[in-house]
Parts: sequence; structure tokens; C-alpha cells
Amino acid sequence: DAMVIQNPRYQVTQFGKPVTLSCSQTLNHNVMYWYQQKSSQAPKLLFHYYDKDFNNEADTPDNFQSRRPNTSFCFLDIRSPGLGDAAMYLCATSRELSGSLPDFGPGTRLTVT
Amino acid sequence: EDKVVQSPLSLVVHEGDTVTLNCSYEVTNFRSLLWYKQEKKAPTFLFMLTSSGIEKKSGRLSSILDKKELFSILNITATQTGDSAVYLCAAKDDKIIFGKGTRLHILP
Repeated sequence: DAMVIQNPRYQVTQFGKPVTLSCSQTLNHNVMYWYQQKSSQAPKLLFHYYDKDFNNEADTPDNFQSRRPNTSFCFLDIRSPGLGDAAMYLCATSRELSGSLPDFGPGTRLTVT
Repeated sequence: EDKVVQSPLSLVVHEGDTVTLNCSYEVTNFRSLLWYKQEKKAPTFLFMLTSSGIEKKSGRLSSILDKKELFSILNITATQTGDSAVYLCAAKDDKIIFGKGTRLHILP
């Protein structure tokens, strides 16, 4: 059974049109991460939540926002997608920040037209 | 600045060969070193290493960590075409910092 679920798996949006990507987990993990992975590059951490505490990476553009309304769900909002935001977006969860192995979701591949 | 550096970035070998992938790291609050295999989807976990000098093994794959030299290697013996993938190394403190990966291609 899938434990970290991302919807949709493929998303096409237009330049400048807001888009929301969804991640849910059945693991009751405290930590949820969002990574951006562009073609042939390493996953880059955008932000993470420890419970309700939000931690933004210093170089994450303001165009990217996140919400975690409860333990199970976390959303990535891209307010005005540009062509450069086309990427695979990976959600991961872990029980704690340290000593816990993250579980990755299958990813959402975002295309911007 | 925390960083993880992998080498080589790309490697092409013939089926049956043995390969060694390298990973060095500089992470302030290092806790563990992770290896992942990534095909055209999310990374798949291979190993987590926290102690120096203890080899972890899974079938034809093995990995070891040197915390003094801040270095890890991933070995794959008797490679098969199904081993073709990007192999990601990551260092974990409170977050996971990935290297750029080694793209491994196995020729039949």
C-alpha cells in the first residue's frame, strides 16, 4: 500500500497560472519535505515542516509556498509558474528530523506551457 | 556551505564489470550518509550508513563510510543492464543534502 501519495502524478499548467501539488501520508510522520528535481539534477530541498513548524530554505523563491493543514497532508503552491519551474516535485516524509530514513512519494512531474 | 560531491558524474561499463561510485561530503551536523538509486521515478533507498568502516551489503551492492575522510563508496559487482540508473548520494543532518548523482549505464 502506498504510504506517501502524490497527486497528480503529471500536471500541466500555463505560464503564470497558479498550480497546487498535493502530498499525503499514512505514516503519521512528523516531518514532510518538498524537493524540486530538474532534469539531470539532484533533488533540491525547497522547504520542510516539522509538525506545524515551517522551515524555508534560504534560496527557495517566494513564488513557492506550502501549506500543511494537518499531519497527513502537505501542499506545494506555485503562485506564478515560469518555464524554469518545470521539474519533478518530490514529497518525502520522515518520523523525525534526525535518525529517521525519509520515505519518498512517486513525484509529480510539472510541465509549464 | 554544506555540500555533497559525487564522482564520476557519468560512467559507462559493460555488463559483468565492477563499478565503484564515490561520494564526499562536508556537512556541519552530519548524522548519516544515504545512497539511492533513481530510474525515471522517485529515488529508491539502497543504504544508510552511520558508522565508519562497517560495510553494508545487499546482493551485488555494497557500501562503506569513512567519517574521518568524509567519504563513502558504493560498489556494484557483476553489473547487469538493470543496474543502469542514476545513483544519488545524500548526507543527512536535519535535512537531506543530495549530490548531483552518478549516471551509470551498463552496456549489454
